[in-house]
Amino acid sequence: RKEVEQDPGPFNVPEGATVAFNCTYSNSASQSFFWYRQDCRKEPKLLMSVYSSGNEDGRFTAQLNRASQYISLLIRDSKLSDSATYLCVVNPASGGSYIPTFGRGTSLIVHP
Amino acid sequence: GAVVSQHPSWVICKSGTSVKIECRSLDFQATTMFWYRQFPKQSLMLMATSNEGSKATYEQGVEKDKFLINHASLTLSTLTVTSAHPEDSSFYICSARTPNNRESYVNEQFFGPGTRLTVL
Repeated sequence: RKEVEQDPGPFNVPEGATVAFNCTYSNSASQSFFWYRQDCRKEPKLLMSVYSSGNEDGRFTAQLNRASQYISLLIRDSKLSDSATYLCVVNPASGGSYIPTFGRGTSLIVHP
Repeated sequence: GAVVSQHPSWVICKSGTSVKIECRSLDFQATTMFWYRQFPKQSLMLMATSNEGSKATYEQGVEKDKFLINHASLTLSTLTVTSAHPEDSSFYICSARTPNNRESYVNEQFFGPGTRLTVL
């Protein structure tokens, strides 16, 4: 099993739709989790951190399920500008010299 | 957030030449920086972890003599692609991890804008 797995998609949704992505991780000792967004030919940009209590930022909601070892990202009222690849990142431990692990990314296409 | 710069943003070179890419954390000190490579339509691949004042840790399959990493200060890491060949053409991205003692964005990873390398 890969350390971090994501459905590559693409998820093709109309404007205004609600879409959710999941990301599973294999290391139960993982401590911190993030969602990044990467536009074509650009660097990844931090979208939001994922906390145990969940995290909401406008139309975006991230949640963590430690028991099932996955994180999720929910996007409400999708905009055309949300079209991008969404990467989940898992850190094995807080502090120290941990190495973050990236998922392959989930491609989202929002169409008119 | 935190700002990471990368230079150059793109470079075209002849086969056999060496190319140096700089990664700087502009508003924080980064003891650890990461170097990634991304081929078209593929995921980010970690090449090495760069630690200030010590040798870099390379991922399996990455030649340390070909990809020289120097992390000479808390705000600068460099990646030198030695004797570049066309198969080294890729998008190289660095990232820096924010320190524990920051007011916000603690221990999070911020990326440089990337360097697109084309080797002819």
